[in-house]
Amino acid sequence: QQPVQSPQAVILREGEDAVINCSSSKALYSVHWYRQKHGEAPVFLMILLKGGEQKGHDKISASFNEKKQQSSLYLTASQLSYSGTYFCGGSGGSNYKLTFGKGTLLTVNP
Amino acid sequence: EAQVTQNPRYLITVTGKKLTVTCSQNMNHEYMSWYRQDPGLGLRQIYYSMNVEVTDKGDVPEGYKVSRKEKRNFPLILESPSPNQTSLYFCASTEQAGKRNTEAFFGQGTRLTVV
Repeated sequence: QQPVQSPQAVILREGEDAVINCSSSKALYSVHWYRQKHGEAPVFLMILLKGGEQKGHDKISASFNEKKQQSSLYLTASQLSYSGTYFCGGSGGSNYKLTFGKGTLLTVNP
Repeated sequence: EAQVTQNPRYLITVTGKKLTVTCSQNMNHEYMSWYRQDPGLGLRQIYYSMNVEVTDKGDVPEGYKVSRKEKRNFPLILESPSPNQTSLYFCASTEQAGKRNTEAFFGQGTRLTVV
């Protein structure tokens, strides 16, 4: 079952902050975040592991609440280059299958 | 350069004509998978492979076949394509199935149109 992402879309002005949420109905061992520019391949941002570990990537950070099976991606002081579709992916179970949410379209305007 | 290579990038075909989309990675990764991406549906897994000769169905396997005879290659086969298989396809690889802290590397995608 796909993780559920919210919001589906968000529009920002350069310099504003945004939060993208991802929740799963099944237990996850790890949460992945990827960004995809239009017509391109998804690009890895970060992984969060069971245990509540937080990881950062420049001005993008994320958290993973394993009790709630929720992850959030925090984009601080957004830049034009942040525009794209963000996907969270959940991995759990013995087959390590990575299942993605439907994505969140982020648009950063000047 | 570490990469996942898919071919072709674009393909238009007719209903029922068998086709193969190739995927090759040069990172000695064990785990490979295929996804299709459709508007509003995100990335959905078609098939995955945990190692050579080990493949299994993902979430949307109907109408597709795969094989993993060599570690580096993981072709996607459409025996009898239909218009509902028109989509953007991505191949991805991960270092090891058992390592949960490794990222997935994606190919550049294959845009398939079945008429």
